[in-house]
Amino acid sequence: KAGVTQTPRYLIKTRGQQVTLSCSPISGHRSVSWYQQTPGQGLQFLFEYFSETQRNKGNFPGRFSGRQFSNSRSEMNVSTLELGDSALYLCASSRGPETQYFGPGTRLLVL
Amino acid sequence: DQQVKQNSPSLSVQEGRISILNCDYTNSMFDYFLWYKKYPAEGPTFLISISSIKDKNEDGRFTVFLNKSAKHLSLHIVPSQPGDSAVYFCAAGGGGGSNYKLTFGKGTLLTVNP
Repeated sequence: KAGVTQTPRYLIKTRGQQVTLSCSPISGHRSVSWYQQTPGQGLQFLFEYFSETQRNKGNFPGRFSGRQFSNSRSEMNVSTLELGDSALYLCASSRGPETQYFGPGTRLLVL
Repeated sequence: DQQVKQNSPSLSVQEGRISILNCDYTNSMFDYFLWYKKYPAEGPTFLISISSIKDKNEDGRFTVFLNKSAKHLSLHIVPSQPGDSAVYFCAAGGGGGSNYKLTFGKGTLLTVNP
């Protein structure tokens, strides 16, 4: 069974731009969660989607948003990029409420 | 407020010996715990988990111990191998209706020397 895939793997943007990241979950997994990893803060929860609905949200500003499609694929959008948004963005999928399986991540660099 | 803490940023052990990674949590509502391993430029890989109704779970060389009264869990790797060298993250979930939100520690870099 294929794992979680994320595209693109690397991205360079400039301040003020916006970016969209994509995540395809493991087949059969309906829950998709997003996390931000930075050297100083570790992995921070962004939000979780299930059946196209956002069920839970972390403490990030409204510039961070997401959505989920009927096939469980998910996208994450960051608008008005700031230098501090440079991070590894990780997507995870799960079938149930426990174990989450992570994709390889998208490395975003904001210049 | 950091609800999951890994107080050792790094740990170095000799090949064949035991590696013990520790994790403390503050939220008594957490009801399941996981360990992930992460190599550079890759996503975290699930290793092992434990429910709050258990105090031990074993999978091959990996054993996780949970002490609920102390709000402490540990991961034992026996015997340690050079390929185990990676960053290990402790994560906790459940409680408060947020069953799909994992709260992570900041990680411990394990180095296994040949």
